[in-house]
Amino acid sequence: DGGITQSPKYLFRKEGQNVTLSCEQNLNHDAMYWYRQDPGQGLRLIYYSQIVNDFQKGDIAEGYSVSREKKESFPLTVTSAQKNPTAFYLCASSIAEGITDTQYFGPGTRLTVL
Amino acid sequence: AQTVTQSQPEMSVQEAETVTLSCTYDTSESDYYLFWYKQPPSRQMILVIRQEAYKQQNATENRFSVNFQKAAKSFSLKISDSQLGDAAMYFCAYRSGIYSGGGADGLTFGKGTHLIIQP
Repeated sequence: DGGITQSPKYLFRKEGQNVTLSCEQNLNHDAMYWYRQDPGQGLRLIYYSQIVNDFQKGDIAEGYSVSREKKESFPLTVTSAQKNPTAFYLCASSIAEGITDTQYFGPGTRLTVL
Repeated sequence: AQTVTQSQPEMSVQEAETVTLSCTYDTSESDYYLFWYKQPPSRQMILVIRQEAYKQQNATENRFSVNFQKAAKSFSLKISDSQLGDAAMYFCAYRSGIYSGGGADGLTFGKGTHLIIQP
């Protein structure tokens, strides 16, 4: 089955620790995105990548880092510099920039900082 | 920067009735895309419907249709024959049709409308 997978579903982290959220897609999509969702809020863009080995900051990139070494994978690291990391994180992908812009989402990861 | 506003935090409708969710947006661009996403309790974001700004015809997907008013910058979602499975958060989203290269080229979301279906 084609789709986007995110792991783990729930993640707990102690303050001061870095943690990496996984996002994998087998849709052969070129572009991938990370969003953050807080209670009562819409999604906000953290990072996006349109091609392997290239990525761009979104609206709230501070305290986060990403890599795009493979087309299928776009992991997000939440660093200790992120002041309020407890949130729901969603990964998305789309076919290619400028051709079609429909983004399809994974099931999300709930991160809680203890 | 573009903004998306959903003025109805919560809406309630009787099963089998019709409900309309409102969305307005602010942009200076002429080329863009608009979306409605549904987020059920599982929290998976599901695409409901999409509209290209250059198309005058309103998009429809089965029981879901939009009223796209470009001049008014309005993009409402109509759900006909509401079903219990339609209960969810609904998010309106905007996407620029221009690739800026260095900016945030993801989606800009509204804060959502919680839709309740009364049996």
